[in-house]
Amino acid sequence: QKEVEQNSGPLSVPEGAIASLNCTYSDRGSQSFFWYRQYSGKSPELIMFIYSNGDKEDGRFTAQLNKASQYVSLLIRDSQPSDSATYLCAPAPSGGSYIPTFGRGTSLIVHP
Amino acid sequence: NAGVTQTPKFQVLKTGQSMTLQCAQDMNHNSMYWYRQDPGMGLRLIYYSASEGTTDKGEVPNGYNVSRLNKREFSLRLESAAPSQTSVYFCASSGRTYKEQYFGPGTRLTVT
Repeated sequence: QKEVEQNSGPLSVPEGAIASLNCTYSDRGSQSFFWYRQYSGKSPELIMFIYSNGDKEDGRFTAQLNKASQYVSLLIRDSQPSDSATYLCAPAPSGGSYIPTFGRGTSLIVHP
Repeated sequence: NAGVTQTPKFQVLKTGQSMTLQCAQDMNHNSMYWYRQDPGMGLRLIYYSASEGTTDKGEVPNGYNVSRLNKREFSLRLESAAPSQTSVYFCASSGRTYKEQYFGPGTRLTVT
């Protein structure tokens, strides 16, 4: 069972700030990770995929993976109120065809 | 292109009643999944189907049965509903690449 730990929050940041969301994992065999965003009352949507150590940038979002320390993070630059949501981290399955089992996610609130 | 559809959107059951949640996808995906999400919890995998004709248990299968009727449809059945099954149920499907993963809008089930 691959497990991830996330602080449930809420993490509250002012508009325009950098939001930092963190996730630690226990399975050293985990090679890659997904980040999902879930708005209140809606279904999750995939926003980032990272498979190598270091950073991956996509617009205002940067995912970071540190396999030695077993953590993965998501940075959101210039946070907007529309970024307010729950962010879920999940290890990508290796060789399987299934969407992963998720952690409980971190609630982010961006206030004007 | 409807993506992943679920019916019904809302349902209230009495303890002991049975019902079937329906899910369909029109993206020709092989893999389909059923998750439940409880308040403050991440999504937990109930059952999944890697291809038509196959189903496998996930993390929390007790109290549920599934049927992969054809490539498009994957149903979840509660034979004797219990209050502990009050939850939001999401169906999902995935294709050949990591980007091809989509969730349905969810079914909000209350068991009294």
